[in-house]
Amino acid sequence: QVQLQESGPGLVKPSETLSLTCTVSGGSISDYYWSWIRQTPGKGLEWIGYIYYGGSSNDNPSLRSRATMSVDTSKKQFSLKLSSVTAADTAVYYCAGENVAAAGTIVADAFDVWGQGTMVTVFS
Amino acid sequence: QSALTQPASVSGSPGQSITISCTGTSSDVGGYNSVSWYQQHPGKAPKLIISDVSHRPSGVSHRFSGSKSGNTASLTISGLRAEDEAVYYCSSYTTRTTPFVVFGGGTKLTVL
Repeated sequence: QVQLQESGPGLVKPSETLSLTCTVSGGSISDYYWSWIRQTPGKGLEWIGYIYYGGSSNDNPSLRSRATMSVDTSKKQFSLKLSSVTAADTAVYYCAGENVAAAGTIVADAFDVWGQGTMVTVFS
Repeated sequence: QSALTQPASVSGSPGQSITISCTGTSSDVGGYNSVSWYQQHPGKAPKLIISDVSHRPSGVSHRFSGSKSGNTASLTISGLRAEDEAVYYCSSYTTRTTPFVVFGGGTKLTVL
């Protein structure tokens, strides 16, 4: 059973870059489309983007290209960097995945495995 | 304001059935069979309970079912149980701008 664990700083200063890593255990990193999703009390759930180990990716246009995602197959990890953060980026950040075998024509649109989430506060 | 519209709250008694709606547009809910539903208990990560409008992942109770009509998707929970009390979110693939995934604002289900 695949398990995900987010890690990274809980506090980030405004204008700096938020960096999070998700470690995959219990499965192959090539078996999933990997996504980042965040949750705030005010805006609810917000999809940030997805990446596949093979190189395909997509991100939420509302983030204005501030999000960069990568995969490290040797470490079984995938990462998110969000640049130029503001208080509006304060949220619980989840890593999540969709099993490639379960994906249909549209990929990374349903998330069947989730990390526990990590709270990131943008605070000066 | 969320891209998909859900009622803020619904309630029902144990054993009853309830339905939660999720309204979008022809660029998302109405245009693609890409609607998913998630259940979230307090302090926990969301859990996928329905994908592709009506597909139930392995291990999800048959009491949960999904459907879609036009631009509105629905989640029905039958035989309500106390443990069903949670917040439910819908999501959909969208092509309103660059293709990506949008969520509804969530519906708090209270089991009376």
